[in-house]
Amino acid sequence: AQSVSQHNHHVILSEAASLELGCNYSYGGTVNLFWYVQYPGQHLQLLLKYFSGDPLVKGIKGFEAEFIKSKFSFNLRKPSVQWSDTAEYFCAVNAWASGGSYIPTFGRGTSLIVHP
Amino acid sequence: GAGVSQTPSNKVTEKGKYVELRCDPISGHTALYWYRQSLGQGPEFLIYFQGTGAADDSGLPNDRFFAVRPEGSVSTLKIQRTERGDSAVYLCASSITGQSSYNEQFFGPGTRLTVL
Repeated sequence: AQSVSQHNHHVILSEAASLELGCNYSYGGTVNLFWYVQYPGQHLQLLLKYFSGDPLVKGIKGFEAEFIKSKFSFNLRKPSVQWSDTAEYFCAVNAWASGGSYIPTFGRGTSLIVHP
Repeated sequence: GAGVSQTPSNKVTEKGKYVELRCDPISGHTALYWYRQSLGQGPEFLIYFQGTGAADDSGLPNDRFFAVRPEGSVSTLKIQRTERGDSAVYLCASSITGQSSYNEQFFGPGTRLTVL
């Protein structure tokens, strides 16, 4: 079964600092990868996704993620964070499940707090 | 158009009681997912519907949990004989289809269930 590991559970940064959140997955087949974000009081929403092609994916609000197949990683980055980036970030992988469908598996999430 | 809606937003019940949680997906989305999210954790898959049928229910923790989607739109998650350990946020998500790994999921705001 697939699994997703997010190594940073809590990250605290000052505005303008650079951000990198780690995500590693365990699955031997073809995967599609996602980062979701949950802002305080809001529901989960898609930040960016990787399906194929260029391993460097750009998403909304200046976020990007790099898929490194050899490392089974899909780390999220942002060069300069803002106070409004304070949120929970979840990495997810879509992989073929035994039931005959694609079921997403989520990491446990990283809580990011950005101080103004 | 409207997003995914879930009712109630909060549910407090006593141990041993029966509860129903409702999800109204985005119109036209054939795939519907239920997740459970405990504090400090990512969404944990429970069950997936493609149309009216439960295509994958491998995430349901035991036979106290059951879900239906009789007309391929609204879904109800049913929990019998609730236990304190069932306390969590129950998330619903929908996507255009679950038959492709490219499916992006759209999440509802969740129902916070508290079992006293």
